[in-house]
Amino acid sequence: DTAVSQTPKYLVTQMGNDKSIKCEQNLGHDTMYWYKQDSKKFLKIMFSYNNKELIINETVPNRFSPKSPDKAHLNLHINSLELGDSAVYFCASSQEASAWSYNEQFFGPGTRLTVL
Amino acid sequence: TQLLEQSPQFLSIQEGENLTVYCNSSSVFSSLQWYRQEPGEGPVLLVTVVTGGEVKKLKRLTFQFGDARKDSSLHITAAQPGDTGLYLCAGHRDYKYIFGTGTRLKVLA
Repeated sequence: DTAVSQTPKYLVTQMGNDKSIKCEQNLGHDTMYWYKQDSKKFLKIMFSYNNKELIINETVPNRFSPKSPDKAHLNLHINSLELGDSAVYFCASSQEASAWSYNEQFFGPGTRLTVL
Repeated sequence: TQLLEQSPQFLSIQEGENLTVYCNSSSVFSSLQWYRQEPGEGPVLLVTVVTGGEVKKLKRLTFQFGDARKDSSLHITAAQPGDTGLYLCAGHRDYKYIFGTGTRLKVLA
């Protein structure tokens, strides 16, 4: 059973296009995340949703719009794609996040986005 | 400016050698986690340390959280080729995890 799944695994597209990445978790977690990993392998948080409510938005361009239809899903839509958006995007989930509590994050396999 | 700096950035060693990876910050974290990531996959949690000065052992891996909860280290004894991967530390603060710059380890047979 796949705990956190993402589709597609690879996404190659032209600059200016709009694309979406889907994420689903079957762990019953309350919190989901989107991370961006650049070519130097630096992993940076983009968004976090807790029970479908946005709790973290890390100065991400508003071309990126997350949507959480329910607790098990967190999708990422990107408008007007730019060359600099090329990266690997990871979805993750955990038990309910709080300011000081820690929980294990379970990561999806990643989506490699290439913008030409 | 990266909040969590890891060193070394790259490490290539022979099987059987020992190594230590460092994760340093000027910020205090409520907890710190270590992950390992293999090519084409997402990071997988190895350990969480919570208390300043805490030491945790996971088979040949020893993790330590600094007394001031600003830094951490990962020591691997008798490294094996299966230890090869990208090691990431992640500090937890204000609802989020801030990841370190990463250490790419290669263990040669």
